[in-house]
Amino acid sequence: KQEVTQIPAALSVPEGENLVLNCSFTDSAIYNLQWFRQDPGKGLTSLLLIQSSQREQTSGRLNASLDKSSGRSTLYIAASQPGDSATYLCAVKTVSSGSARQLTFGSGTQLTVLP
Amino acid sequence: EAQVTQNPRYLITVTGKKLTVTCSQNMNHEYMSWYRQDPGLGLRQIYYSMNVEVTDKGDVPEGYKVSRKEKRNFPLILESPSPNQTSLYFCASSPPGRAQRSGANVLTFGAGSRLTVL
Repeated sequence: KQEVTQIPAALSVPEGENLVLNCSFTDSAIYNLQWFRQDPGKGLTSLLLIQSSQREQTSGRLNASLDKSSGRSTLYIAASQPGDSATYLCAVKTVSSGSARQLTFGSGTQLTVLP
Repeated sequence: EAQVTQNPRYLITVTGKKLTVTCSQNMNHEYMSWYRQDPGLGLRQIYYSMNVEVTDKGDVPEGYKVSRKEKRNFPLILESPSPNQTSLYFCASSPPGRAQRSGANVLTFGAGSRLTVL
């Protein structure tokens, strides 16, 4: 059974810093990996999706990498801003679970960017 | 606006009192799913539906029921709520499964329903 772990559980950084969030998964047979953002009182918003054949994806100040063989992904946030404060979740779509079962989520990293 | 709408957003109830959390999407999505989110456990899938009248269990279905009589609606039913069902619930929808497998389309989530069972 796929397990997804995110470390650290919480992170606080001053504005302007570059930071890295980590995600690891136990079953490397995945279709893809996604990073989501969750804001209090709102649903999840998909930030980046990396296919299993890809190594990284970029969107603005965000860069996500995938090392399928080692079961790891990182989300790099450049020049962090207070508006980046949120919980970031990593989720994988595993081949063995079938498309219907969708995603296995990590428990998230709560990021606070201090002004 | 394309969206997934959940109601109620907040609810406090007592053990044993049946309740229904509604979920509606306006994107003509075939796939819909319910998740619960608990501290330290991430999101866990409760039930999902591939299409009208087609539903199946996720990872944590005990104590829940669902129905899919119409494409746009996927209500979550707690027949006899218990305190261990206190959680934050999310409904999500997406286009057909074959598109999901390729990753071409992603889930659209509702804003969440925070349920407290006393």
